[in-house]
Amino acid sequence: DAGVIQSPRHEVTEMGQEVTLRCKPISGHNSLFWYRQTMMRGLELLIYFNNNVPIDDSGMPEDRFSAKMPNASFSTLKIQPSEPRDSAVYFCASSLGGAQHEAFFGQGTRLTVV
Amino acid sequence: AQSVTQPDIHITVSEGASLELRCNYSYGATPYLFWYVQSPGQGLQLLLKYFSGDTLVQGIKGFEAEFKRSQSSFNLRKPSVHWSDAAEYFCAVGVPSGGGADGLTFGKGTHLIIQP
Repeated sequence: DAGVIQSPRHEVTEMGQEVTLRCKPISGHNSLFWYRQTMMRGLELLIYFNNNVPIDDSGMPEDRFSAKMPNASFSTLKIQPSEPRDSAVYFCASSLGGAQHEAFFGQGTRLTVV
Repeated sequence: AQSVTQPDIHITVSEGASLELRCNYSYGATPYLFWYVQSPGQGLQLLLKYFSGDTLVQGIKGFEAEFKRSQSSFNLRKPSVHWSDAAEYFCAVGVPSGGGADGLTFGKGTHLIIQP
């Protein structure tokens, strides 16, 4: 398996624009996680899905953020409208489910909002 | 809610020297404990994990960690570091909930610098 695949690797956008980050989890994994990494706050869990269903989105910072998982092989994280403080590295991870299983991380999307 | 503290933001170690990275957690019971490593521009890779049983766990790349319940600690060690170990190291906890997947709570990370 190619691992967790995220796209794009880098995104530069202007404030106010819509941004969509994409993630393809490892085949057979039924849990998917979106994390945000910043210098100030470290790694924060934004939302996670189990069997394509959002389980906990309490980490989503604002209504401007939304995430979907229409099927087992694809998820998106959307920011609309984007703001400079959204600049961060966004990671997607997948696992077999349950906190005891290893989460495999993608290489991340570095988002810069100018 | 659970939390993780990595008290050292940066650590500098000479190549060949031993290493210990500290991690303390806060949780009412024994959580699942993990150490991940992140190389520049990369995602996180699991080094090792602890769920139960033997409190000394072995991981990849020659790393080990010891769970100490009395100290709520899960420190990472390596007897002899290599220049390729320079990276960011994250301690994380997972909470058994019994109901589907749970995300991890990460510490802020420790940046390891290797001196030649």
